[in-house]
Amino acid sequence: DGGITQSPKYLFRKEGQNVTLSCEQNLNHDAMYWYRQDPGQGLRLIYYSQIVNDFQKGDIAEGYSVSREKKESFPLTVTSAQKNPTAFYLCASSSWGKDEQFFGPGTRLTVL
Amino acid sequence: RKEVEQDPGPFNVPEGATVAFNCTYSNSASQSFFWYRQDCRKEPKLLMSVYSSGNEDGRFTAQLNRASQYISLLIRDSKLSDSATYLCVVSLDSSYKLIFGSGTRLLVRP
Repeated sequence: DGGITQSPKYLFRKEGQNVTLSCEQNLNHDAMYWYRQDPGQGLRLIYYSQIVNDFQKGDIAEGYSVSREKKESFPLTVTSAQKNPTAFYLCASSSWGKDEQFFGPGTRLTVL
Repeated sequence: RKEVEQDPGPFNVPEGATVAFNCTYSNSASQSFFWYRQDCRKEPKLLMSVYSSGNEDGRFTAQLNRASQYISLLIRDSKLSDSATYLCVVSLDSSYKLIFGSGTRLLVRP
């Protein structure tokens, strides 16, 4: 089965803690993306990567960090510097030269 | 002004009805256009791309009007399973970045 997986599905964090969200794809897609979705709002781009060992900031990168050591994997770390981290986090990927993005099932992060 | 604007709804329609959603975008350099569907607490899924000539996929028809900078989605013969939020999505020429509208919620009642 080809697709995008994210783990965990639900994550609870205490204030001041860093947490890492996993995203893996076996679609052989070159580009990967992280979005954040808040209730009643559109998706906002956090980071994206078009190639291994390279990534770019999106519109709301402050308080987040990423790595892209393998084509298949693009983990997102939510640091304690992120002021309002409670949200639904979505990972996506796309083929080179294609605009369509395909999403993983998401991780719902709650800060207690 | 938001880059992609949609009526949030909800649109509440009976089964079998025809319903249309519109979406406007602000950047005239936008190149690619999509409709995604998002079920409650799930990820968005690509419903269809929108081409300049318009395109149809079964009960769904998408239209693009570049001059007026709006995109439409028409759903015919609505099913209960069509109940979801429909996201209008636009891509700029750089192609990596998708701009998402906040979505239009559709409720189809028996």
